[in-house]
Amino acid sequence: DGGITQSPKYLFRKEGQNVTLSCEQNLNHDAMYWYRQDPGQGLRLIYYSQIVNDFQKGDIAEGYSVSREKKESFPLTVTSAQKNPTAFYLCASSIDGQGFYNEQFFGPGTRLTVL
Amino acid sequence: DQQVKQNSPSLSVQEGRISILNCDYTNSMFDYFLWYKKYPAEGPTFLISISSIKDKNEDGRFTVFLNKSAKHLSLHIVPSQPGDSAVYFCAASSQGYSTLTFGKGTMLLVSP
Repeated sequence: DGGITQSPKYLFRKEGQNVTLSCEQNLNHDAMYWYRQDPGQGLRLIYYSQIVNDFQKGDIAEGYSVSREKKESFPLTVTSAQKNPTAFYLCASSIDGQGFYNEQFFGPGTRLTVL
Repeated sequence: DQQVKQNSPSLSVQEGRISILNCDYTNSMFDYFLWYKKYPAEGPTFLISISSIKDKNEDGRFTVFLNKSAKHLSLHIVPSQPGDSAVYFCAASSQGYSTLTFGKGTMLLVSP
């Protein structure tokens, strides 16, 4: 049963703490992405990775960090430098990172609340 | 600067009628367009896409139309069903680039 998993569904953290959101895929996709959704906003790209051991900043990378050590995994760390971390975070993947097959498939999301 | 715009935040339609969701884009490099459907607190699901070499693509009740000269695309849902009630996102990309640019979404409400 292939897909993208994100855990946990809901996450609470105190202000000033770093937190890492997990994203795992078993679709054998090369590319993975992290988005943030806020009320009334579309999906905004945080970071993306077209291949293992490589990643690029998206439109709103400040205050976030990622790693891509394995093809299946693309964890996102929300650091204390992120000014408004409370949001719904979505992970996605696509078959290739070269832009020939651009459909992205999304995980169920993680709702992060910083208190 | 919004490159993909969905100017209607919401749309209400009666069951059985046609739903038309609109999307405009400004970047002439975009050549591939996608529609996603999203329920609250869930990830978006891919609905349908269209390449710039076509002006129409159909999949069951869903049809996407592309007008390149106007930089405009629309998603038609016929007939609309209550289960279609969700937020619909338009997205665009360029050949050779794997990233997508999303609009802000249109919330569709289909009433029985």
